Amino acid sequence: AQKITQTQPGMFVQEKEAVTLDCTYDTSDQSYGLFWYKQPSSGEMIFLIYQGSYDEQNATEGRYSLNFQKARKSANLVISASQLGDSAMYFCAMRELQGAQKLVFGQGTRLTINP
Amino acid sequence: SQTIHQWPATLVQPVGSPLSLECTVEGTSNPNLYWYRQAAGRGLQLLFYSVGIGQISSEVPQNLSASRPQDRQFILSSKKLLLSDSGFYLCAWSVGQFATNEKLFFGSGTQLSVL
Repeated sequence: AQKITQTQPGMFVQEKEAVTLDCTYDTSDQSYGLFWYKQPSSGEMIFLIYQGSYDEQNATEGRYSLNFQKARKSANLVISASQLGDSAMYFCAMRELQGAQKLVFGQGTRLTINP
Repeated sequence: SQTIHQWPATLVQPVGSPLSLECTVEGTSNPNLYWYRQAAGRGLQLLFYSVGIGQISSEVPQNLSASRPQDRQFILSSKKLLLSDSGFYLCAWSVGQFATNEKLFFGSGTQLSVL
């Protein structure tokens, strides 16, 4: 079964607009962590933001925030005031307490910021 | 500070030839080490992880093997490459606690083309 689902293969956004990248997950664990990574064309994977399953507040890191809706099992990434440098692949990932040695990734969303 | 080195950056190999990709981590001790593969335009698939010297766990049966001869060295190998082994290979490390908030730090990747 797919653990992480990213339903948007590609998104196009105008510069300075906010953008939401969708991520839903599937787990029976009560304790788990959700991550977002950015992969520019260079290929490196850059950690953006983390949300724990017991965190009551949505995580924020600068222009990045995570819209965590536990009941819906969704962990959408919100980028405010998008910039040209935000163009990249974005991956949602999850680490469960059962099997915590694995960080499981979704298929990714390619975000393109237009000037 | 911790750094991770992965080489080579690109590699073109004929079918049936051997493979050796190397990854080293500096600035930390007893890390967990990982090899991921990314097919073109796809998400990351965990291939191997290691919790210590000589300890290798394989996630997907395949034509590849991994070894950890030293604490901060992780090697991905194959005796005979297949066309299906082509892809982008990423090495990663984490602090080794297997906690749900444990994030991965990635190397810059190796683009392998098997012809």
